[in-house]
Amino acid sequence: EVQLVESGGGLVQPGGSLRLSCAASGFTFTSYSMSWVRQAPGQGLEWVSLIDTTGGNTYYADSVKGRFTLSRDNSKNMVYLQMMSLRADDTAVYYCAKGGSSWFYFDSWGQGTLLTVSS
Amino acid sequence: EIVLTESPGTLSLSPGERATLSCRASQSVSSNLLAWYQQKPGQAPRLLIYGASRRATGIPDRFSGSGSGTDFTLTISSLEPEDFAVYYCQQSDSSSWTFGPGTRVEIK
Repeated sequence: EVQLVESGGGLVQPGGSLRLSCAASGFTFTSYSMSWVRQAPGQGLEWVSLIDTTGGNTYYADSVKGRFTLSRDNSKNMVYLQMMSLRADDTAVYYCAKGGSSWFYFDSWGQGTLLTVSS
Repeated sequence: EIVLTESPGTLSLSPGERATLSCRASQSVSSNLLAWYQQKPGQAPRLLIYGASRRATGIPDRFSGSGSGTDFTLTISSLEPEDFAVYYCQQSDSSSWTFGPGTRVEIK
């Protein structure tokens, strides 16, 4: 059974930094892209970032480009989202999501971790 | 960037009725790049349909997807109580992934 467990969320002041982690299990981690998708309170889904199977290629939404960095450790089945220069509009539940057989969709999701950016 | 529009915003139906949800793209989307998700309150999204019409593992056959180009449809043939939720379409284009704003299916 695929399991994705996010951690690292919390309360951060504007301008601060935080790292989210996603622990993956139940599948061959090195065979799938991984992504983060966020959801602001009461709002819809917003794709944030994707990393390919080797970690050699990463992609970002314009809203986070230059501030967020996505990485993976294939030896530990872990994905990390380093977030800097945080703003109030980054407040959201952040979901870790596994790519499907192609990386165009997300076939498994974690339960999410809440990031609140506020002074 | 391709923008997705979903309609209606809210669909009020009774159990047993048929639900038809629309997703329209601002530019043509390759069919294999269109997916649908279901999200219930307090839960993570769940993949229903990928490649416009392929059901994900474990999804009941009352859910079906269709469409091509800029117009896609998710149909729930006969609503079960557990189907009342928010539904999102999603596409992938040029290393960018976008979601529609969602359609809420509520009990009438």
